[in-house]
Amino acid sequence: EAGVTQFPSHSVIEKGQTVTLRCDPISGHDNLYWYRRVMGKEIKFLLHFVKESKQDESGMPNNRFLAERTGGTYSTLKVQPAELEDSGVYFCASSQLMGLGNTEAFFGQGTRLTVV
Amino acid sequence: AQSVTQLDSQVPVFEEAPVELRCNYSSSVSVYLFWYVQYPNQGLQLLLKYLSGSTLVKGINGFEAEFNKSQTSFHLRKPSVHISDTAEYFCAVSPIIQGAQKLVFGQGTRLTINP
Repeated sequence: EAGVTQFPSHSVIEKGQTVTLRCDPISGHDNLYWYRRVMGKEIKFLLHFVKESKQDESGMPNNRFLAERTGGTYSTLKVQPAELEDSGVYFCASSQLMGLGNTEAFFGQGTRLTVV
Repeated sequence: AQSVTQLDSQVPVFEEAPVELRCNYSSSVSVYLFWYVQYPNQGLQLLLKYLSGSTLVKGINGFEAEFNKSQTSFHLRKPSVHISDTAEYFCAVSPIIQGAQKLVFGQGTRLTINP
C-alpha cells in the first residue's frame, strides 16, 4: 500500500512567485493535515481536512496560504505570493476517520520550499 | 493549549551505548503522547505512542518510553544504539479529545551515533 506522497520534494522559487504543493494521502484516509517546519523551529500544525471540508485552519499563517482538497482525495497548498519567511519543510499527513479512536497520523516525506 | 519541550537539540553517543532523549510537556487537558523519527531524506515515522494503561511503552527498533504524569515527561530510551539509529527524533502530544488530529511537536533532538 502506498504511503502519503508529496510533490515536489524540493522547490526553489523567487520572492513574489507562486508555488503549489501537492499531497496524496493514503487511500481511504479521510483526515488530511498540513504541517510546516521552519528552519530550526518545531513542526507546526497548519490545517486539517476531513474529506473535502476544512475542519481546523487555525494554524494557517496568513491569507497568502490557500489549501484545497477537492473531492476529498488529494490536497494542494498554494502560497501566493511567496515571502522569504515561507521557507521551510511542509509535511502532509493522513489518518483514518475513526472518531476519538483515531490515534495515528502517517506522514509524507515533506516538501522543502526555499524562497530566495 | 499544549507545549512540548525537548531538552536536548543534539545528542551524540557511541555505538552500543544507551541513550535517553528527554521530553517534557505542558497541557491543561489529558493528552496522547508520541515519538516520531525522521531518518535522513525520509518522512516522519511513528516510533511509539502512549494512549492509556501501562506507562512503559515499547516501540519499533528497540525503543521504549515511559510516561510520567507527575513530572509531565515522556522520555525515550534505548539500551544499546546502532549506527542506523542516527536520525532526528520528535516528541509530540495531542489532546485526547482530538485523537491524533492536531499534533503539537517539540523542537526535535538530533541523535548522532559515533562508531
